[in-house]
Amino acid sequence: DAGITQSPRYKITETGRQVTLMCHQTWSHSYMFWYRQDLGHGLRLIYYSAAADITDKGEVPDGYVVSRSKTENFPLTLESATRSQTSVYFCASSVSRAYNEQFFGPGTRLTVL
Amino acid sequence: AQKVTQAQTEISVVEKEDVTLDCVYETRDTTYYLFWYKQPPSGELVFLIRRNSFDEQNEISGRYSWNFQKSTSSFNFTITASQVVDSAVYFCALSEGQGGSEKLVFGKGTKLTVNP
Repeated sequence: DAGITQSPRYKITETGRQVTLMCHQTWSHSYMFWYRQDLGHGLRLIYYSAAADITDKGEVPDGYVVSRSKTENFPLTLESATRSQTSVYFCASSVSRAYNEQFFGPGTRLTVL
Repeated sequence: AQKVTQAQTEISVVEKEDVTLDCVYETRDTTYYLFWYKQPPSGELVFLIRRNSFDEQNEISGRYSWNFQKSTSSFNFTITASQVVDSAVYFCALSEGQGGSEKLVFGKGTKLTVNP
């Protein structure tokens, strides 16, 4: 089906482990985004990408790494997971800059023990 | 500094009541874009509306309406005759600059519960 998908939907890991969250979109949107959602903080931007091989930091990038070798994929890696990274992670995409609506994936609930 | 403020953390109403969700924003740009998103209990965020800073016309879509007032930097969202299916978290968001910005800044959200 067309759209934006995230995998896994749920993940439990341990402190210090590396975790990669996957995001895939079928619209060929230029822009892709990663957010985390925490109670009391709303959604905060972690990283975004304007096109393949172009990425930039958002509001809370520390502890995260992204890459974008193909337009349709935008994986987010936690190199050494910490408990503070327990959160719900949303991937989004948009046709162009943020004055166009962003389309969100279903989210990944990550728990770091 | 927080640029989008949704002062109402939670609102609870009874079905068929009207309810208004407040959004106050802060920006130095003359060109900007405002958004509302809905996050139902299923978790996915759904786009509801986009408004640019040059268009202060109110908009109505079915039971939903939006009131944009630059004088008070507000972009409020009203649901008329609320229904249980309207129960969700609603987010207001801001994108600054001509042509928009890569960064969409969200408010912390208002959780709306509509009771039968």
